[in-house]
Amino acid sequence: DQQVKQNSPSLSVQEGRISILNCDYTNSMFDYFLWYKKYPAEGPTFLISISSIKDKNEDGRFTVFLNKSAKHLSLHIVPSQPGDSAVYFCAASLDEAAGNKLTFGGGTRVLVKP
Amino acid sequence: KAGVTQTPRYLIKTRGQQVTLSCSPISGHRSVSWYQQTPGQGLQFLFEYFSETQRNKGNFPGRFSGRQFSNSRSEMNVSTLELGDSALYLCASSLMSSVSYEQYFGPGTRLTVT
Repeated sequence: DQQVKQNSPSLSVQEGRISILNCDYTNSMFDYFLWYKKYPAEGPTFLISISSIKDKNEDGRFTVFLNKSAKHLSLHIVPSQPGDSAVYFCAASLDEAAGNKLTFGGGTRVLVKP
Repeated sequence: KAGVTQTPRYLIKTRGQQVTLSCSPISGHRSVSWYQQTPGQGLQFLFEYFSETQRNKGNFPGRFSGRQFSNSRSEMNVSTLELGDSALYLCASSLMSSVSYEQYFGPGTRLTVT
């Protein structure tokens, strides 16, 4: 039973345009969400997070939006750069203070074309 | 500051054998988490150790175990290996046992069971 789903396995976008990655979850008890980026032969790298008490968090080119009623979050990358080509994972946690147990989505492979 | 290191990077074992993987966290980090990544199941949480105590556990059989030492280094052990245990095993460290503290992942150990 996949509690966190990324329904788009891949995304191709032109350099300079916006990349929008989507993530859906089924467990309404999740209250903290994160996005990670992964290059081949490396471990995931943290990008940005959002607590369930917020609906938006921004960090430079990266913005995460959370719609709790729809159990949906998205990551916007503006503008997209070739170095953003990687696999992106969304992840969820039940309780911000209850440890580091994360439930990951299956990932979306992003290709940014120059 | 040195990152998270995992040894060995690659390992080939035979069904029925056991294996021990090692993870050295970033200096000062007290929480170490382990994840299994496979093409079919994605990234799945195995367990988290904090101050030498198991803080969280995922849905894996008892063949998967771990421990943490007083210097925060962690090991995970898989006994009676099965073909399905072939995966990339990632460990991640963070300062505290809370997702509000960034987790840093190591490059992983690629285990192949034949």
